[in-house]
Amino acid sequence: DGGITQSPKYLFRKEGQNVTLSCEQNLNHDAMYWYRQDPGQGLRLIYYSQIVNDFQKGDIAEGYSVSREKKESFPLTVTSAQKNPTAFYLCASSTRDRSSYEQYFGPGTRLTVT
Amino acid sequence: AQTVTQSQPEMSVQEAETVTLSCTYDTSESDYYLFWYKQPPSRQMILVIRQEAYKQQNATENRFSVNFQKAAKSFSLKISDSQLGDAAMYFCAYRWGFGTASKLTFGTGTRLQVTL
Repeated sequence: DGGITQSPKYLFRKEGQNVTLSCEQNLNHDAMYWYRQDPGQGLRLIYYSQIVNDFQKGDIAEGYSVSREKKESFPLTVTSAQKNPTAFYLCASSTRDRSSYEQYFGPGTRLTVT
Repeated sequence: AQTVTQSQPEMSVQEAETVTLSCTYDTSESDYYLFWYKQPPSRQMILVIRQEAYKQQNATENRFSVNFQKAAKSFSLKISDSQLGDAAMYFCAYRWGFGTASKLTFGTGTRLQVTL
């Protein structure tokens, strides 16, 4: 089955530690995205990548970093510089073909930092 | 900057009835896409329906339809014959730009409750 996987589903970390969230897709999509979801705020874009070895900051990139070494993978690192990292994180992917512009989402990772 | 506004934080509908969720957006672009996504308690985001701005005809998908008013920058979702499984958060989203510049902007969501 084609789709997007995110692991783990729940992640717990101590304050001051960096943590990396995994996102893998086998849909052969060029573009991948990371969103953060907080209660009452919808989804906000952290980073996105349209092609391998290239990525751009979204609206709330501070305290986060990404890499895109393979088409299938787009890991997100939440650094200790992120002031309020506890949130639900969603990864998405899409084609760059205009005929199909919707984004497909993974199941998400709930990160709790204490 | 493009913004998406959902003015109804919560809505309630009885099973088998019809409900309309509102969405307005702000843009200076003429070519863009609009989407409604559903997020059930599992938190998996599911595409419900999409609308291309250059198409005047309103999109429909089974019990789901939209009322797209481009001049008014309005994009409402109508759910007919509501079912218990429709209970979820609904997000309106706007996508503009193509190729390397394309991004998706979401509204804050409407929580839909379906009652018996």
